[in-house]
Amino acid sequence: AQSVTQLDSQVPVFEEAPVELRCNYSSSVSVYLFWYVQYPNQGLQLLLKYLSGSTLVESINGFEAEFNKSQTSFHLRKPSVHISDTAEYFCAVRYSGAGSYQLTFGKGTKLSVIP
Amino acid sequence: DVKVTQSSRYLVKRTGEKVFLECVQDMDHENMFWYRQDPGLGLRLIYFSYDVKMKEKGDIPEGYSVSREKKERFSLILESASTNQTSMYLCASRGQGAGEQYFGPGTRLTVT
Repeated sequence: AQSVTQLDSQVPVFEEAPVELRCNYSSSVSVYLFWYVQYPNQGLQLLLKYLSGSTLVESINGFEAEFNKSQTSFHLRKPSVHISDTAEYFCAVRYSGAGSYQLTFGKGTKLSVIP
Repeated sequence: DVKVTQSSRYLVKRTGEKVFLECVQDMDHENMFWYRQDPGLGLRLIYFSYDVKMKEKGDIPEGYSVSREKKERFSLILESASTNQTSMYLCASRGQGAGEQYFGPGTRLTVT
């Protein structure tokens, strides 16, 4: 079974500073990778995804993540954070083989942006 | 836009009650999922369904059952609610293929 490790449960960072949220998954087989964001009292929203192709994927609000197969990582980065980025971020992985339905989530990283 | 709706945002029930949580999606998705979310534990899959009347257990199915009589609707049932089922419940749906799951806003259930 897949497992996902988000190495930091909480990350405080000053506004306009860069941030990296780390994510590692357990298997080196072919996978799909996702980052979701959850704002307080809301459901999860997709931030970005890696399905195939370029290993660097970007979101519309300045986040990016790079798929590193050899290190089984999919770290999320942003060069300059805003107050509005304060939220909880979840990394998720799904095996890409036939008959695979389940998405496995990490335990989440709470990003707090300090003014 | 895909829309996943859940019947209640907040729900308070008593121990031993039967509880129904309803989820509806409007994108003709084949796959639907129920998760519970607890602080420090992330999201854990309770049940999922890949077709009408089909269901599969997830990681924590004990104490729960599900029903999918129509493609757009997936219900989570707590046969006899207990205090350890106090949690946030999230429904999601996904089409066929490689795409992402779309989530509803969640139901925060408190069992007293």
